[in-house]
Amino acid sequence: KAGVTQTPRYLIKTRGQQVTLSCSPISGHRSVSWYQQTPGQGLQFLFEYFSETQRNKGNFPGRFSGRQFSNSRSEMNVSTLELGDSALYLCASSYQGEGNTIYFGEGSWLTVV
Amino acid sequence: QKEVEQNSGPLSVPEGAIASLNCTYSDRVSQSFFWYRQYSGKSPELIMSIYSNGDKEDGRFTAQLNKASQYVSLLIRDSQPSDSATYLCAVNKPGGGADGLTFGKGTHLIIQP
Repeated sequence: KAGVTQTPRYLIKTRGQQVTLSCSPISGHRSVSWYQQTPGQGLQFLFEYFSETQRNKGNFPGRFSGRQFSNSRSEMNVSTLELGDSALYLCASSYQGEGNTIYFGEGSWLTVV
Repeated sequence: QKEVEQNSGPLSVPEGAIASLNCTYSDRVSQSFFWYRQYSGKSPELIMSIYSNGDKEDGRFTAQLNKASQYVSLLIRDSQPSDSATYLCAVNKPGGGADGLTFGKGTHLIIQP
């Protein structure tokens, strides 16, 4: 069974630009959540989608947004990039009923210059 | 008070010994607890999940949960150099679904050959 797939794996953007990251969950998983990981703040929850609806949201500004499609694939978007947005962005998927266990993809490394 | 706290380390343990990693959490209603291992430059991978008080064993790993004292620990027996990594403790609040795990900042474990 394929794992969580994230694209792109690495990208470099300029301040003020926007970026879209993509995530394909494990087959059969309907919940997709996004996390940001930085050396200073650690892993922080961005938002979670289930059946195309945002179910939960972390404490991030509105520049961070996401969506989920009918096939459970998800995208997240960051607009007006700031240097502080440089981070590893992790997508995780989960199947309801498995005790809320989430499985991470390999992540997208974003560098803002 | 931080929601999930871990000693950042580094924790240095000789090969073959038992490594003991600890985590405390502040929200008494937390119900699901997870340990993830993260190698440098990689994404977190699930090691153990635990939901009930007591011990749960899986191979060389044992997770221990004490809800009254609000701590969860991970023991690694017969430590190997390949166990050298950062170990992340994660806690999920009740409510169902992958509604956002709260992670500690991790303990950096070094197994000395």
